[in-house]
Amino acid sequence: EAGVTQSPTHLIKTRGQQATLRCSPISGHTSVYWYQQALGLGLQFLLWYDEGEERNRGNFPPRFSGRQFPNYSSELNVNALELEDSALYLCASSLGQASTDTQYFGPGTRLTVL
Amino acid sequence: AQSVTQPDIHITVSEGASLELRCNYSYGATPYLFWYVQSPGQGLQLLLKYFSGDTLVQGIKGFEAEFKRSQSSFNLRKPSVHWSDAAEYFCAVGAAASGTYKYIFGTGTRLKVLA
Repeated sequence: EAGVTQSPTHLIKTRGQQATLRCSPISGHTSVYWYQQALGLGLQFLLWYDEGEERNRGNFPPRFSGRQFPNYSSELNVNALELEDSALYLCASSLGQASTDTQYFGPGTRLTVL
Repeated sequence: AQSVTQPDIHITVSEGASLELRCNYSYGATPYLFWYVQSPGQGLQLLLKYFSGDTLVQGIKGFEAEFKRSQSSFNLRKPSVHWSDAAEYFCAVGAAASGTYKYIFGTGTRLKVLA
């Protein structure tokens, strides 16, 4: 069974540009989660999508947005990039939205903002 | 509010020695607890999880963790560490409240293994 996949592996942008990150969940999983892992800050919850809808978002500005497609894959968009957006962005998926549903993580996209 | 604390930022052990990584949580009800491992430049891999039942949980790679409600702890242990265990370890608590579902991660403990 294929795991969670993310693309691209690395992304280099300049300040003010937009970045688009993609995630494909494990087959059969309907929930997708996005996390930011910046150096020294641990994992910060960004967004949660389930069945095509945004269910919850973390404490991030509106320039962080995303969507979930009918096939449950997801896209994270970061507009007006700032230097501090440089981080590893991790996507996870789970079977449903219950607290007992384990999240399985992808390898991440390393975003560098110059 | 729920929270997770991993008091040790870095831990160094010799190969073959035992290991215990600490995790303390704060949550009003019975939490769902997880331990993940992250190798350099990689995503997170689930080691084990606790939802209910036996408080001693066995995971992959020879790891185990014990849920102690009285101490609000979920410490990760391994009797004999291998050099390949060098990585960063994250404790997380999952909880549902008011229709939302959140994972809260600790800040991680970086494990170094000496040959």
